[in-house]
Amino acid sequence: DIVMTQSPDSLAVSLGERATINCKSSQSVLSSSNNKNFLAWYQQKPGQPPNLLIYWASTRESGVPDRFSGSGSGTDFTLTISSLQAEDVAVYYCQQFYNTPRTFGQGTKVEIK
Amino acid sequence: QVQLQQSGPGLVKPSQTLSLTCAISGDSVSSDSAAWNWIRQSPSRGLEWLGRTYYRSKWYTNYAESVNGRMTMNPDTSKNQFSLQLNSVSSEDTAVYYCASAMSDCSSSGCYEGYFQHWGQGTLVIVPS
Repeated sequence: DIVMTQSPDSLAVSLGERATINCKSSQSVLSSSNNKNFLAWYQQKPGQPPNLLIYWASTRESGVPDRFSGSGSGTDFTLTISSLQAEDVAVYYCQQFYNTPRTFGQGTKVEIK
Repeated sequence: QVQLQQSGPGLVKPSQTLSLTCAISGDSVSSDSAAWNWIRQSPSRGLEWLGRTYYRSKWYTNYAESVNGRMTMNPDTSKNQFSLQLNSVSSEDTAVYYCASAMSDCSSSGCYEGYFQHWGQGTLVIVPS
């Protein structure tokens, strides 16, 4: 199984400041068949299911604000919130879909400083 | 727009069978461009993918090793839904269970699925110890 490891486990950021979350996979999720990284990011708020933010490591899902961006390739990935808003307080997860079983990171909790 | 509606009991006795259903609207369980998944979430295990079922000229089903042998997923084309059955449950199976869809993403290099665009509302299933 591909192990997904996120860092940090939590972070506190001031409103309007940048938040950066890292995700590392135990093996590359870059496919030679389509030259894409099989990596997605989700946001989860209390009492709700996860909500897809980004797929293919950097493609924003429709309706996701452009302050959310994804980057990275191979085994190292980053989710950036360029200017933190109050509504961004949540837990964020990365997930690989390179193979089965699909696996998720342990989550990063983002709070307001 | 795909919507997933879960149903099933929230309390299951140890050693019995957990059964949940996910009703689909806005797509077909027999779609050849979607896969239908079960995922659970608990404080001890985090988000854990359990399995998927999908139709590509015939039905395919994959299960996570952690539940293989105890889990069955069945599509129901007459009701446009799919189900989860988990046998011999224990307190370790206590979790919020989600159904989720993964739609095929196609380009010139092929079709791929595996990120989860749509989720059910979640069902907290408690197995008392």
